[in-house]
Amino acid sequence: EVQVVESGGGVVQPGGSLRLSCAASGFIFSNYPMSWVRQAPGKGPEWVSAIIGSGTTTYYADSVKGRFTISRHNSKNTVYLQMNSLRADDTAIYYCVKETPDGVAAVWGRGTLVTVSS
Amino acid sequence: EIVMTQSPATLSVSPGERATLSCRASQSISTNLAWYQQRPGQAPRLLIYGASTRATGIPARFSGSGSGTEFTLTISSLQSEDFAVYYCQQFKSWAFGLGTRLEIK
Repeated sequence: EVQVVESGGGVVQPGGSLRLSCAASGFIFSNYPMSWVRQAPGKGPEWVSAIIGSGTTTYYADSVKGRFTISRHNSKNTVYLQMNSLRADDTAIYYCVKETPDGVAAVWGRGTLVTVSS
Repeated sequence: EIVMTQSPATLSVSPGERATLSCRASQSISTNLAWYQQRPGQAPRLLIYGASTRATGIPARFSGSGSGTEFTLTISSLQSEDFAVYYCQQFKSWAFGLGTRLEIK
């Protein structure tokens, strides 16, 4: 069964940092791009960042560029999201997503909640 | 930047009836469109990709159509589990619409 499981969420003060992890199983991890998508309370999904299978190319939404870094460790079947300089408007559920080669968000994890608050 | 606009924001339909949801792109996106369903407390789930191809395990009562800038998701006979929020997405640019809430009439 194809599965992705997020971890690492929590409560952090404005200006703080957090690293999210996503463990994947059930597919050849290095063959697929992976993304992070977030959803603020009561809002629609917002794509945050993506990384291709080899890890050599990354993409970011303008709202997080320069603050967030996506990476992957293919031998561990894990993708990460390092989040720095966090702001209140980064508060959301963060979903890890397995994409198809075309970029379709095919498989979603259950999400991990990040709350930025003093 | 491509903007995805969904209508209506809320749709009230009786169980067993047909529901038609619309999604419009601000510029032509060919058939690079996906539809997702999100039930309360759950992650979004892929329903349709390529504008009209059902994802694995999705019932045949869900169908998608359209190309260019105008797209439609049709649910032919609503079941209780279909009342949820539906999002369209242009997956080449990762742009999501704001969603249509499908509620029981």
